Amino acid sequence: AAGVIQSPRHLIKEKRETATLKCYPIPRHDTVYWYQQGPGQDPQFLISFYEKMQSDKGSIPDRFSAQQFSDYHSELNMSSLELGDSALYFCASSLVRLGTDTQYFGPGTRLTVL
Amino acid sequence: AQSVSQHNHHVILSEAASLELGCNYSYGGTVNLFWYVQYPGQHLQLLLKYFSGDPLVKGIKGFEAEFIKSKFSFNLRKPSVQWSDTAEYFCAVRPEYSGGGADGLTFGKGTHLIIQP
Repeated sequence: AAGVIQSPRHLIKEKRETATLKCYPIPRHDTVYWYQQGPGQDPQFLISFYEKMQSDKGSIPDRFSAQQFSDYHSELNMSSLELGDSALYFCASSLVRLGTDTQYFGPGTRLTVL
Repeated sequence: AQSVSQHNHHVILSEAASLELGCNYSYGGTVNLFWYVQYPGQHLQLLLKYFSGDPLVKGIKGFEAEFIKSKFSFNLRKPSVQWSDTAEYFCAVRPEYSGGGADGLTFGKGTHLIIQP
């Protein structure tokens, strides 16, 4: 079965640079979620989009923004990168409109900020 | 806001031993509950979930969990573990879907399970 696709899988950036992470949900899923997992930490919810509209917001820094496009893929834009942004960024997708909100996770993008 | 507490951060067992990982949540309303597993270097995979109905739910790979509403608990169990069960296990909660949108999951800190051959 098709899964959530994330690109790139690995990304190395310098401090104060910008980064864009992409997420392609499971086909026909209408909702995308972004999570940040620091080393040895639990995943922290950042933001979600349902039918291209922002749905829920967690601990997303103001330096980060995200959106969901007409084809349901999503991008997480990160500016003024800091060393503490180094983490694994997961995207998850679900089919909310059927009322069975089970989130399926992608392989993640490992961001390293030097 | 909801929160999740996992009692054991590190558990070491021998193969064929029985497993129980504790999970308690804090939230004033109805919740959906999940257990995810993360094998070394891999992404989160859903083990099982509880939305409603029978409080004893069965998942993949022989895992099961019991929702005890009065104790706000959702403990994960497996009668006989295997070396391949070595992984990080996360309990997660979210408010029950109310039609208002898609809420993010709140995860516990995780339990690092090591199975010794």
